[in-house]
Amino acid sequence: GAVVSQHPSRVICKSGTSVKIECRSLDFQATTMFWYRQFPKQSLMLMATSNEGSKATYEQGVEKDKFLINHASLTLSTLTVTSAHPEDSSFYICSVQRGPSYEQYFGPGTRLTVT
Amino acid sequence: AQTVTQSQPEMSVQEAETVTLSCTYDTSESDYYLFWYKQPPSRQMILVIRQEAYKQQNATENRFSVNFQKAAKSFSLKISDSQLGDAAMYFCAYRSARNAGNMLTFGGGTRLMVKP
Repeated sequence: GAVVSQHPSRVICKSGTSVKIECRSLDFQATTMFWYRQFPKQSLMLMATSNEGSKATYEQGVEKDKFLINHASLTLSTLTVTSAHPEDSSFYICSVQRGPSYEQYFGPGTRLTVT
Repeated sequence: AQTVTQSQPEMSVQEAETVTLSCTYDTSESDYYLFWYKQPPSRQMILVIRQEAYKQQNATENRFSVNFQKAAKSFSLKISDSQLGDAAMYFCAYRSARNAGNMLTFGGGTRLMVKP
């Protein structure tokens, strides 16, 4: 498998501020990481694919200027929610891709609450 | 575009019994991968089992096995000897084999409850 960490696990911020979420691949170098968003009792929605050393690929409907992704090294990708609003409150999960079947291994998630 | 459908929003099973979770998918591709993920109350997504479409043999992992029917585009998960710790959301997922950067497409999930 793969070991993935996320920091912070929970964050509360005020509306209008920005918050950064880190995703780290702890036991191997990940050229590709993925960022998902999950609303309560729903499935995971892919937000973007993060590629080391290049620009992220965003899914349709995801604002790239609002959700800034930086994948500056093979072990770290960051998601910054800029000018957060209450509707951005959600559970954010990252994953890394590894293995012969390109299976994804997930971080423990970050719960963001915007007040 | 590929779609993944889990028609059972909730399922319930008695401890030690067997339960089967359904998953169907739609694709025009012949080479792909299928996965079942478990999301317990901690919300940590855990890979349960994987299946390569080119393999006819159904994958098994201890108490977990799949029934992969390629022609029917069906990929069900069977959990034998259910345990209380199996209670979770289960997500079926599809991935094209075409290139390395491809994303996972998830189904809507099935909530499994295990009764003691």
